[in-house]
Amino acid sequence: AQKITQTQPGMFVQEKEAVTLDCTYDTSDPSYGLFWYKQPSSGEMIFLIYQGSYDQQNATEGRYSLNFQKARKSANLVISASQLGDSAMYFCAMRPPLLNEKLTFGTGTRLTIIP
Amino acid sequence: DTAVSQTPKYLVTQMGNDKSIKCEQNLGHDTMYWYKQDSKKFLKIMFSYNNKELIINETVPNRFSPKSPDKAHLNLHINSLELGDSAVYFCASSYNGQGASSTQYFGPGTRLTVL
Repeated sequence: AQKITQTQPGMFVQEKEAVTLDCTYDTSDPSYGLFWYKQPSSGEMIFLIYQGSYDQQNATEGRYSLNFQKARKSANLVISASQLGDSAMYFCAMRPPLLNEKLTFGTGTRLTIIP
Repeated sequence: DTAVSQTPKYLVTQMGNDKSIKCEQNLGHDTMYWYKQDSKKFLKIMFSYNNKELIINETVPNRFSPKSPDKAHLNLHINSLELGDSAVYFCASSYNGQGASSTQYFGPGTRLTVL
């Protein structure tokens, strides 16, 4: 069974600072995918970034990067130069290698950017 | 050009009623999912369909019945609604693949309130 742990229920960060959201995972599969989603107060789930377990480089998408440490089973999301619009819930999720498989989500981190 | 759409966005109903939520995706994906987000924001898979065929059926009461008339649509019908069914229901879709192509894209969610 797969498990995702997000240990930070809430974080407050000053605008323009970088922020790291923690995510650790547990799986016995050698192949898996890791995802981060953002859920603003409006409620939609927005895909941010993907990291494959065999990817050699850390994933980056604009201001988002993923600090992937496979041996530690961690996949932390780094947001550079935070903006007020980054205030939201952030979910880490994992998907096993099988086709059509579900995402297993962590409990989320509520990020608040302070002006 | 909405990618994954759900209707209605809000649904308020009495206990014991039957209701349906509709989902449509125009991304050309062949796999669709229903997730439930509870009051603590925890997201959990309910069902997934691939090309109209049921693939995942988590431990969900029989009162919940998904229906996929074609691979672009996945509806959720709920019979005899109970107070505990109050939640946000998300539809999602993805390609039937692995790696980054397996990214699931979510609809805006349907907030169901059972009185």
